[in-house]
Amino acid sequence: QKEVEQNSGPLSVPEGAIASLNCTYSDRVSQSFFWYRQYSGKSPELIMSIYSNGDKEDGRFTAQLNKASQYVSLLIRDSQPSDSATYLCAVNKANSGYSTLTFGKGTMLLVSP
Amino acid sequence: GAGVSQSPSNKVTEKGKDVELRCDPISGHTALYWYRQSLGQGLEFLIYFQGNSAPDKSGLPSDRFSAERTGGSVSTLTIQRTQQEDSAVYLCASSSSWGDYNEQFFGPGTRLTVL
Repeated sequence: QKEVEQNSGPLSVPEGAIASLNCTYSDRVSQSFFWYRQYSGKSPELIMSIYSNGDKEDGRFTAQLNKASQYVSLLIRDSQPSDSATYLCAVNKANSGYSTLTFGKGTMLLVSP
Repeated sequence: GAGVSQSPSNKVTEKGKDVELRCDPISGHTALYWYRQSLGQGLEFLIYFQGNSAPDKSGLPSDRFSAERTGGSVSTLTIQRTQQEDSAVYLCASSSSWGDYNEQFFGPGTRLTVL
């Protein structure tokens, strides 16, 4: 089982719709979860972090975490063509005294006008 | 500067040559990470620095790869005797902490092409 799994997509949604991006992870002790947005040819940009079970909202973005199911998702409301990008899910990996991030391969989102 | 900076932005080299890639983290960020992203692939962790020491070098793909960090700030990733499979975008990220809740911020990357 891969450590962090995402559907590669593309996920196609019309402008104004809700886009739902999903991620599962294998390490039960992971404590922090991040969503990055990566435009083509650019570097990843942090858009959301979530640490507790439940929902966390920031503008049009909502991150959802369910540690029991080892599942994290990102909802984008009122999707815009400018949201078209690859979304990377990242999960912390605890080591001895420090933490690193393991990234999924990303889901490509296409928002059509 | 406000963000992580990397140089050069692009590097084209011939097989067998050595290259140095530089990362300047966000001021005050003690943790620094190097990643590699090949075309169509995910982010591959290379090495982690805490201050000037590197507790985790587990991602370095071979002994041709090395990295150092001086003064708790700038880091250099060196690839010796480059091979075509080293062609990728090399990304640096920094974070203000190294615990479970560290948020990492990425630089623009260096695109390395080995001919």
